[in-house]
Amino acid sequence: GQNIDQPTEMTATEGAIVQINCTYQTSGFNGLFWYQQHAGEAPTFLSYNVLDGLEEKGRFSSFLSRSKGYSYLLLKELQMKDSASYLCAVREAGEAYSGAGSYQLTFGKGTKLSVIP
Amino acid sequence: IAGITQAPTSQILAAGRRMTLRCTQDMRHNAMYWYRQDLGLGLRLIHYSNTAGTTGKGEVPDGYSVSRANTDDFPLTLASAVPSQTSVYFCASSSQGEATDTQYFGPGTRLTVL
Repeated sequence: GQNIDQPTEMTATEGAIVQINCTYQTSGFNGLFWYQQHAGEAPTFLSYNVLDGLEEKGRFSSFLSRSKGYSYLLLKELQMKDSASYLCAVREAGEAYSGAGSYQLTFGKGTKLSVIP
Repeated sequence: IAGITQAPTSQILAAGRRMTLRCTQDMRHNAMYWYRQDLGLGLRLIHYSNTAGTTGKGEVPDGYSVSRANTDDFPLTLASAVPSQTSVYFCASSSQGEATDTQYFGPGTRLTVL
């Protein structure tokens, strides 16, 4: 099983930088995903980390430390449109639930980010 | 435009009724998933399918059934709806042949069971 923790809510100012942390415990780590979800909409893929280090994609970066069970999503030059929930999801290798050879994602409860002027 | 469609967008259902939520993808992804999202609980996996003809149970499968007759369609059926099944339901798909196996989500179905 997995336990994924991330802050429930965060507030940041337009133009600033914000870091959203995610910690996890898993027996068979096989990758970590970050998704963005605007209110009333579907989650959309932001980033993927499977090796330690930083992955940068425009204003968004994601960091992973497998030994610490830790990831963060870094958002730079915040814009009002970045107000959304950010979901951390961990993929576990091998069988999960009643599965056979499939990879499953377990999601954290999400961090609601509010960007204020 | 390639992607995932879900129907209906929203539905109000009387308890005890049978309901099928539809999901179709045109990306030729082999794997498909059904999640429910509830306030304070996040996304939870209901059922999944790695390939046409196979299905598996997720974290919260009770009260739900699925079928995967072909690659594109993955319907979710509530045989006898109960109020605790009030939720937003998301279908997702992924290509397990890709290195990242990223899951892509449909727009969701908002279901209210009274």
